[in-house]
Amino acid sequence: DGGITQSPKYLFRKEGQNVTLSCEQNLNHDAMYWYRQDPGQGLRLIYYSQIVNDFQKGDIAEGYSVSREKKESFPLTVTSAQKNPTAFYLCATRGGGGETQYFGPGTRLLVL
Amino acid sequence: GQQVMQIPQYQHVQEGEDFTTYCNSSTTLSNIQWYKQRPGGHPVFLIQLVKSGEVKKQKRLTFQFGEAKKNSSLHITATQTTDVGTYFCSLDFGNEKLTFGTGTRLTIIP
Repeated sequence: DGGITQSPKYLFRKEGQNVTLSCEQNLNHDAMYWYRQDPGQGLRLIYYSQIVNDFQKGDIAEGYSVSREKKESFPLTVTSAQKNPTAFYLCATRGGGGETQYFGPGTRLLVL
Repeated sequence: GQQVMQIPQYQHVQEGEDFTTYCNSSTTLSNIQWYKQRPGGHPVFLIQLVKSGEVKKQKRLTFQFGEAKKNSSLHITATQTTDVGTYFCSLDFGNEKLTFGTGTRLTIIP
């Protein structure tokens, strides 16, 4: 998981603003994932991408958007349509012939 | 979506006691993975189980996969303070994504 970078570590958003969370990997993994974790809760899948220029909605995609223009990058935009965005956002990758997911350090988003 | 039950949700044990968490699926799994998340951290892969009835050990941790490939357990023998965290199962139904359980938060009383 040292090969996955998420920035920033903490992010503050004003109501009505869009914000973009960065996820970069140097593991050469094809698949990338975005999860949301609320305090004391499990991980819920927002979006995932199996290959460049292709991505799929997860279980809670409403209010979020993604892009996958490069293999190394999978940014997540939290739009103003997401009414309760305060959470811990985790990016993960999967690849190299294995089934394991590797997680980045996460970004904590707080709405002011 | 698929139903994933992980029990218990919380577990408080005295240091040195054993701990077990269970993960149950309503449908047959391709494989199951276990992850540990330390407080304030991110999930870290522990192990993957693939075969029906499989048992794997990592020092004080024992992982089991049910015969029907619908449930799994993680057992920690003689817990230590370093075991503190939330343990998640992650279920692979053979499609492109993993479904995580709600996790079991383990706290240790010294």
